[in-house]
Amino acid sequence: GAVVSQHPSWVICKSGTSVKIECRSLDFQATTMFWYRQFPKQSLMLMATSNEGSKATYEQGVEKDKFLINHASLTLSTLTVTSAHPEDSSFYICSAPLAGGPSEQFFGPGTRLTVL
Amino acid sequence: QKEVEQDPGPLSVPEGAIVSLNCTYSNSAFQYFMWYRQYSRKGPELLMYTYSSGNKEDGRFTAQVDKSSKYISLFIRDSQPSDSATYLCAMSEGTGGFKTIFGAGTRLFVKA
Repeated sequence: GAVVSQHPSWVICKSGTSVKIECRSLDFQATTMFWYRQFPKQSLMLMATSNEGSKATYEQGVEKDKFLINHASLTLSTLTVTSAHPEDSSFYICSAPLAGGPSEQFFGPGTRLTVL
Repeated sequence: QKEVEQDPGPLSVPEGAIVSLNCTYSNSAFQYFMWYRQYSRKGPELLMYTYSSGNKEDGRFTAQVDKSSKYISLFIRDSQPSDSATYLCAMSEGTGGFKTIFGAGTRLFVKA
């Protein structure tokens, strides 16, 4: 199946700093990528839809100025958590569907963010 | 009411048992139905994918979709300890850029 990678897999940062998470589609082009966050023992919550070459679409309640998304190429989307606070600590996962293919998502391995 | 309802469990079964996992949904526009398996601290991996109503079988796994009842199921035969994971149902109205809505996930434990 298609492969999606994320980097870093785990990051610890101080409160007030910014953290960038990369999501790459390794063997296919992804015009759309999705960013989710997942709290322990809870399901995936869609944060935003990242579209190559255009602005991301954010879900209701997600601060676009805090969670900056850039989708500059067909294989890379980045999520930057700006001025991170402890409540931003979570598991962040990206996914990408195959363009023109069925609806299933291929997920990255996730990034665990801990804000001290 | 959530668009997709799934019992979070946990569900504990002995090795070799048949496992039944279910989800209900309210959006009649959903056409694509998926089951994902997620191990702890890992990203979800696609297990089964079904379009519209019907059954689909893959090895020990069978997915069923009943659109008239807005009900989907995943059956695992001869369950193994390695099947212990969280199983998420997911559904979407269309392909590619359509949003996928996930259930809460059911935690399954298969005891040796």
